Amino acid sequence: DGGITQSPKYLFRKEGQNVTLSCEQNLNHDAMYWYRQDPGQGLRLIYYSQIVNDFQKGDIAEGYSVSREKKESFPLTVTSAQKNPTAFYLCASSMSKQANQPQHFGDGTRLSIL
Amino acid sequence: DQQVKQNSPSLSVQEGRISILNCDYTNSMFDYFLWYKKYPAEGPTFLISISSIKDKNEDGRFTVFLNKSAKHLSLHIVPSQPGDSAVYFCAASEEMRFGAGTRLTVKP
Repeated sequence: DGGITQSPKYLFRKEGQNVTLSCEQNLNHDAMYWYRQDPGQGLRLIYYSQIVNDFQKGDIAEGYSVSREKKESFPLTVTSAQKNPTAFYLCASSMSKQANQPQHFGDGTRLSIL
Repeated sequence: DQQVKQNSPSLSVQEGRISILNCDYTNSMFDYFLWYKKYPAEGPTFLISISSIKDKNEDGRFTVFLNKSAKHLSLHIVPSQPGDSAVYFCAASEEMRFGAGTRLTVKP
């Protein structure tokens, strides 16, 4: 089955620790995205990538980093510089970044601070 | 600065009746919109889209209307079914701007 897989489903971070959220897709999509969702707010874009080895900052990139070494994978690292990392994180992919290409989402990772 | 707004956090309707979910946007340059549906513990899934060159797009029980002058779009579900109970997000596509979502509950 083609799809997009996020892991882990739940993640706990200690203060001052970096953590990496995994996102893998087998849809052969060029574009991939990371969003953050907080209660009562819409999805906010952290980073996106239109092609391998290229990525762009979204609205709230501070305290986060990404890599796109393979087409299938777009991991997100939440660094210790992110002061309020507790949130629900969603990864998505689309054939391209064109407006008429809907995004396919993973089931999300919920990150909490210990 | 929320450029896409869904001002109703929740909506409850009776099975068989119409559900109308609303979405407003602030940027007149937005020209393609999508609606996504999200069940608990799952990621959002694409439902229906509309381009600014149209004012209506229909897919089965789902119709999206776009009023460009008012910067407003709405999703109509007719007839509503209990399986439609979910959170619905509208989004301005190319700019990747999402509303906060509306939780729809369809009562049997």
